[in-house]
Amino acid sequence: DGGITQSPKYLFRKEGQNVTLSCEQNLNHDAMYWYRQDPGQGLRLIYYSQIVNDFQKGDIAEGYSVSREKKESFPLTVTSAQKNPTAFYLCASSTGGKSSGANVLTFGAGSRLTVL
Amino acid sequence: GENVEQHPSTLSVQEGDSAVIKCTYSDSASNYFPWYKQELGKRPQLIIDIRSNVGEKKDQRIAVTLNKTAKHFSLHITETQPEDSAVYFCASKLHSGGSNYKLTFGKGTLLTVNP
Repeated sequence: DGGITQSPKYLFRKEGQNVTLSCEQNLNHDAMYWYRQDPGQGLRLIYYSQIVNDFQKGDIAEGYSVSREKKESFPLTVTSAQKNPTAFYLCASSTGGKSSGANVLTFGAGSRLTVL
Repeated sequence: GENVEQHPSTLSVQEGDSAVIKCTYSDSASNYFPWYKQELGKRPQLIIDIRSNVGEKKDQRIAVTLNKTAKHFSLHITETQPEDSAVYFCASKLHSGGSNYKLTFGKGTLLTVNP
């Protein structure tokens, strides 16, 4: 389904719990991204990774953590430190690099997290 | 960091009319400007993009214009159809150090095309 798979599609969490969202791609893309989508806020970058074993904070990294141990996987952990975690989370990937075409994003279908 | 402003937040047009969405960016070093379309309940998809060395690009009913001096770019949709109804996001790409590049998105425009 577009080569990038997110799971779970829906997730409910109690306050104080950490939760990990999965993102897997079979596109052989070097770069992977996590965005958060809230109504009226657009897509805000949480973390991104241009290469295995390296990642960078985005604009709203506080309360989140990531790892990039494999090229095809970029899981996102929403920790209890995230003050307002209820949101729609989108993972994306691209071939990476400097050319414009290398930064065309392919998005996953998203994961909706609700904190009860 | 880069800041992207997008206007309007909502836009309603009659079928067959044109629609224009405008974005401004803050960092003059930004060099790539894509537009994504997100239909209701679906993932965003690229519809058109433009590089900083080009002033205009067209693809059938869609065009994007870029004014580097003013640091703004616009999406133009002509002969709108109901299937054009969606949220449209602009973005800009900026080198963020080393081999890292990131896209910063605008807040989106909800376009409604009325039959």
